[in-house]
Amino acid sequence: DGGITQSPKYLFRKEGQNVTLSCEQNLNHDAMYWYRQDPGQGLRLIYYSQIVNDFQKGDIAEGYSVSREKKESFPLTVTSAQKNPTAFYLCASSRRTTSSTDTQYFGPGTRLTVL
Amino acid sequence: QKEVEQNSGPLSVPEGAIASLNCTYSDRGSQSFFWYRQYSGKSPELIMFIYSNGDKEDGRFTAQLNKASQYVSLLIRDSQPSDSATYLCAVKSMEYGNKLVFGAGTILRVKS
Repeated sequence: DGGITQSPKYLFRKEGQNVTLSCEQNLNHDAMYWYRQDPGQGLRLIYYSQIVNDFQKGDIAEGYSVSREKKESFPLTVTSAQKNPTAFYLCASSRRTTSSTDTQYFGPGTRLTVL
Repeated sequence: QKEVEQNSGPLSVPEGAIASLNCTYSDRGSQSFFWYRQYSGKSPELIMFIYSNGDKEDGRFTAQLNKASQYVSLLIRDSQPSDSATYLCAVKSMEYGNKLVFGAGTILRVKS
C-alpha cells in the first residue's frame, strides 16, 4: 500500500531533551513537509524539502531541525530550544511544489507532549 | 491580517440538510484551493480541490470558487453524522512561494 507513515503516534519529552519524529513515504513524491497544529489553529509550516539534500525553513522553524538524506524519509528533530513543543505534528508529501495544481497528502501525525 | 479566514463554528445542521462552509483569502494571485476534512485526533484528508471559477462537484460535495470576491466554499448535500468534523480550507498562495496556507478550520456538527 502506498502512503505516508509517521512514528511514534504519541511521544513524551522531558524538559531539555531533543526528540526525533519519523516520516516515511513510498509514494515516490519529491516534496515533503512538516506542519505543527495547535488547538484552534490552522496548520503552520515548520520545514519543507523539494529534493534530496535540500530543505527550506517555513514560518516557525526556530527550535526544529530536519534532514533529507533519502527521498523517502524526512525526519524532524524537536530540540530543547523549542520552548513550547507540545502539539500535533503532521508530515505531508506531494509530487512537487512548483505546480499550482500540486496536492499534499498527510501522514497520521505524531502527538508530542512535554512533561 | 490572516491570509485565509474561516468561521470557527461550530456549524450545526440537521441530518439530511445542506451544510455550507465558507473561506475567504487575501492573496488575489492565489490559483488553487483545497478542502480537507479532519476528524478529531486524526490527520487531514483531502476532500477536493478547485482551480477555476465556478462549481466543481464530487459526489455529495460541491466546491464553489469566486476569485473576484476571493471566496471559496464547500457544500455538503444530504449531510450525515459521519460528516461531523473540522473542515480546513487551504490556499496555494503565490505571495507565500506557492506553498499552502491553511485556515483555522470550521467545526461541523451534523445532528441526527
